[in-house]
Amino acid sequence: TQLLEQSPQFLSIQEGENLTVYCNSSSVFSSLQWYRQEPGEGPVLLVTVVTGGEVKKLKRLTFQFGDARKDSSLHITAAQPGDTGLYLCAGNLSGAGSYQLTFGKGTKLSVIP
Amino acid sequence: NAGVTQTPKFQVLKTGQSMTLQCAQDMNHEYMSWYRQDPGMGLRLIHYSVGAGITDQGEVPNGYNVSRSTTEDFPLRLLSAAPSQTSVYFCASSYSYREPEAFFGQGTRLTVV
Repeated sequence: TQLLEQSPQFLSIQEGENLTVYCNSSSVFSSLQWYRQEPGEGPVLLVTVVTGGEVKKLKRLTFQFGDARKDSSLHITAAQPGDTGLYLCAGNLSGAGSYQLTFGKGTKLSVIP
Repeated sequence: NAGVTQTPKFQVLKTGQSMTLQCAQDMNHEYMSWYRQDPGMGLRLIHYSVGAGITDQGEVPNGYNVSRSTTEDFPLRLLSAAPSQTSVYFCASSYSYREPEAFFGQGTRLTVV
């Protein structure tokens, strides 16, 4: 059973469109991170959300952490070809001794010019 | 700023051979970890370390050993390579397990024939 479920698995859109990808779990996380990974490279951190209900904006990217700290979403406005990549969410389980950062399988985004 | 450095970038091994994947970070991070990334499986944690001299198993530890004699270095040893260990391996470091935002190396693409 995957602790973090990401959807959709694949997404192909035209430049200029908006999109939202999701990261869901039945577990409570003390924090959630979003990463972007380009081919042949390691993941790069985009943002960390910590507080339930928190919304963070990074230029055209908006990240939201669910009120119950079990889910998160990433919304991209006016997607550009440079947004193409694998988007990964990762969470640190809430509670003592939670030393493991768990990753979802990712959403592979292709933005077509 | 070197960040997290992994060597080698590519490696081909024969079944039964052993080798060590090197990982070094220059950010004085306490927490280091090794992941493998396989198509459709996402990033899976192999081993992690919360500080020098302390290591623990992740989700998929079998066939791998680690040690952490210094803060900077966290090598991953494949004891007797198997085709199932063909994968892309990523080393990551974080300031501490309480601040799990991870910085990744560029990865090692390993093929076992």
